[in-house]
Amino acid sequence: DAEITQSPRHKITETGRQVTLACHQTWNHNNMFWYRQDLGHGLRLIHYSYGVQDTNKGEVSDGYSVSRSNTEDLPLTLESAASSQTSVYFCASTPGGTGELFFGEGSRLTVL
Amino acid sequence: GENVEQHPSTLSVQEGDSAVIKCTYSDSASNYFPWYKQELGKRPQLIIDIRSNVGEKKDQRIAVTLNKTAKHFSLHITETQPEDSAVYFCAARNSGNTPLVFGKGTRLSVIA
Repeated sequence: DAEITQSPRHKITETGRQVTLACHQTWNHNNMFWYRQDLGHGLRLIHYSYGVQDTNKGEVSDGYSVSRSNTEDLPLTLESAASSQTSVYFCASTPGGTGELFFGEGSRLTVL
Repeated sequence: GENVEQHPSTLSVQEGDSAVIKCTYSDSASNYFPWYKQELGKRPQLIIDIRSNVGEKKDQRIAVTLNKTAKHFSLHITETQPEDSAVYFCAARNSGNTPLVFGKGTRLSVIA
C-alpha cells in the first residue's frame, strides 16, 4: 500500500547539532509539507514543496531547511538545533488542489 | 495570509451528548475547510471536509456547517462516544494551490 513514512520516530540531540528528519511518500504526490506541533499552537507550517526543486517557507521556517531532489522525499534539516525546536514534527503530502492531506506518523525531537 | 481561530480549546461532554467546535477564518477567498481528528499519540486524519459551494455536509454522526458571509464553520458531533475523545483541528485553504492553515485544536473529552 502507498504510504508516507517518517524517520526517525524519536530522536534526542544536543543544542548546536545538525539534525535531519526524513520523509518518504510512495503516492507520487507533488505537494509535500512539514508541520510542527506544539501544545497551544496546533500545527504550524515550516516548509513546503510543490514539486522537484521547488521549496517554500512557511510560517515558522527560521532555523529549518528542506530540499526536494525527487518526488518521493522531503527531508527537513535543522542546521543548528535549539531547545525551542523540541517538538513533534509531521510530514504530509497531497496530490494537489483541494485533495486530502495525508500525514506521516510524526517524529518526536528533543533538543537538550 | 489566512488566519484560523478555533474555539473552545478544551471541551468535555457526557457520553451521548452533542459536541460543537467552531472556527473562524480571515481570508474571504478560502474555499476548502477540512476537519482532522488526532487521537493520542497518532497522526491527524481527515474526518470530514466542506467546500465553499456547500452550506452543510453530514457523515453519520458528524456534520460540518459553513457560513461564508460570517466566515465561520463548525463541526457537530452527535451522540458522542468515548472513542470520539481526541484533538480536533479545523483548517482552511484559499483558492489555488496554497497550504492548509490550521486552527490550534480542540481537545474533546467524552465522559462515560
